[in-house]
Amino acid sequence: SQQGEEDPQALSIQEGENATMNCSYKTSINNLQWYRQNSGRGLVHLILIRSNEREKHSGRLRVTLDTSKKSSSLLITASRAADTASYFCATVPANAGGTSYGKLTFGQGTILTVHP
Amino acid sequence: ETGVTQSPTHLIKTRGQQVTLRCSSQSGHNTVSWYQQALGQGPQFIFQYYREEENGRGNFPPRFSGLQFPNYSSELNVNALELDDSALYLCASKLTSGGHNEQFFGPGTRLTVL
Repeated sequence: SQQGEEDPQALSIQEGENATMNCSYKTSINNLQWYRQNSGRGLVHLILIRSNEREKHSGRLRVTLDTSKKSSSLLITASRAADTASYFCATVPANAGGTSYGKLTFGQGTILTVHP
Repeated sequence: ETGVTQSPTHLIKTRGQQVTLRCSSQSGHNTVSWYQQALGQGPQFIFQYYREEENGRGNFPPRFSGLQFPNYSSELNVNALELDDSALYLCASKLTSGGHNEQFFGPGTRLTVL
């Protein structure tokens, strides 16, 4: 079963605009991760935020986490056509330890289209 | 390029057949996980192998089985294929050494069951 729900399901913007995607989850987490997937191929790890963190930045990416609302958002600033892809959030449960960190539970994803 | 490779890239099988998918982990990684991604969905965890033993399993029937070899490469076997098994199968490898370590995904194998 899917842990997370991404919102919106699809997002279409112009190059240079910001893109915001949201993710909600159901159970307590150890960490939440965002991945990108191009054209149904492999997943690329973008950023990880731990349950005791509220915000994290990496280049043009900004992730926030609100554990009280069980939600996260991914902001991509100054978007480029190359950012066109599907974006997934994935969670690791709070009781995970050691090898359990490999068991990611993914949401259904947001399809982002950036028009040149 | 993550250093994780999968073969074959595409595969077509008929219902009832058996299939073996292969994954070569990134050098130095001792843990491999397999995921099934149906069209338009997020990946779903199938199972994970750590040091050649199954270390956790998602909600998949026993006809989904796997192996991890001493060189940490891995196989996913699916018996008695069903139409709903059509999906992209992803493997991911990581080094488990305490705490969280990033997982690296391969490009996937696209399985079509007719």
